[in-house]
Amino acid sequence: QVQLVQSGAEVKKPGASVKVSCKASGYTFTSYDINWVRQATGQGLEWMGWMNPNSGNTGYAQKFQGRVTMTRNTSISTAYMELSSLRSEDTAVYYCARGTTVTTSRYFDLWGRGTLVTVSS
Amino acid sequence: DIQMTQSPSSLSASVGDRVTITCRASQSISSYLNWYQQKPGKAPKLLIYAASSLQSGVPSRFSGSGSGTDFTLTISSLQPEDFATYYCQQSYSTLDTFGQGTKLEIK
Repeated sequence: QVQLVQSGAEVKKPGASVKVSCKASGYTFTSYDINWVRQATGQGLEWMGWMNPNSGNTGYAQKFQGRVTMTRNTSISTAYMELSSLRSEDTAVYYCARGTTVTTSRYFDLWGRGTLVTVSS
Repeated sequence: DIQMTQSPSSLSASVGDRVTITCRASQSISSYLNWYQQKPGKAPKLLIYAASSLQSGVPSRFSGSGSGTDFTLTISSLQPEDFATYYCQQSYSTLDTFGQGTKLEIK
């Protein structure tokens, strides 16, 4: 069925990097953008950036510029989000979400279940 | 970045009530506004896109309106499963932003 399956929970030390994967199935991976959204415990949704799986083009929120890298492997329909120089404030659930565009409207209609990343010494 | 401000931040209501949540953008975003519902421990779910278009499978008691800078999400008759947190999102710019959320609780 149509779904995004994310990798499992991670525990990292401050200063380390984490790479979260998001595997798409049930649709053409290269036809839709993949976005990453995070949510700290008890907090709201924070959009991090997007990637076009066809071209590899990306766009990142200013807050994460220089620390986040979004990539993909089209042969296995998988997107990746790598966040470096981790600090405790990066502890959150990280979601991937499919971006669908109808005429000029864009929205996230398919979400992964989320990956908990814990940053702790 | 375009800032999105929701009000209220929390709201208590009863089953059967009509509820309205407001989202205001820091600049005009035309109709590039989406609404999501999130329940505890779950991923967000798309309810409304392009300000007023109902996502497939979403009950018709949900509706959205607005354009420019001011938008509303209305639930015409609250059901027990509607108690959740609601977020607006602008997709006018290539850099999306979400509102801070509105938590809808049972009175």
